Amino acid sequence: KNEVEQSPQNLTAQEGEFITINCSYSVGISALHWLQQHPGGGIVSLFMLSSGKKKHGRLIATINIQEKHSSLHITASHPRDSAVYICAVPTGGGADGLTFGKGTHLIIQP
Amino acid sequence: DAMVIQNPRYQVTQFGKPVTLSCSQTLNHNVMYWYQQKSSQAPKLLFHYYDKDFNNEADTPDNFQSRRPNTSFCFLDIRSPGLGDAAMYLCATSREVVGPRWSNEQFFGPGTRLTVL
Repeated sequence: KNEVEQSPQNLTAQEGEFITINCSYSVGISALHWLQQHPGGGIVSLFMLSSGKKKHGRLIATINIQEKHSSLHITASHPRDSAVYICAVPTGGGADGLTFGKGTHLIIQP
Repeated sequence: DAMVIQNPRYQVTQFGKPVTLSCSQTLNHNVMYWYQQKSSQAPKLLFHYYDKDFNNEADTPDNFQSRRPNTSFCFLDIRSPGLGDAAMYLCATSREVVGPRWSNEQFFGPGTRLTVL
């Protein structure tokens, strides 16, 4: 079954900084999900990608299938970007579901 | 707007008293999921419905059951909640298309936070 590692676990940065969150997984996948969870619990799907790069506003996600690695970047970070960012991949090994990383707790200070 | 709705947002129950959490969707997605997320942990899949086909995860306790009476609604029943069942319960949906499963974007509801006294 797939295992997911995210880094860093916690990240505090100043407004405007360029943010990078990393995710690595152990088993080849068909797609990787980046999710955002705000205090209070709701989860929003940011990206689902299987190759290359996707961009949405100030968010950019990249994936390297050969290296089993993905990154989420935030440009010109803002305090409203403060949230937990979670990487998830198909569990694999015949099991259903997604395996989630433990998340990166991001705080952007004004 | 099309969305995933969970009710209630906060639920308090007593130890051993059955509780039902509800999820509805206006996306007309054929797959619905229930996840459990305990404090400071990653979400964990409990079960999912592919249309009417129920798929239970191997390690989901028997205490947890689910019903999907139609495409739009899915319920999570906890028959005898224990203190360890206090968690955020997340419902999600996806539209399964041809291709590898789990490669479809999932849309999450806001969650129901369950407290067990």
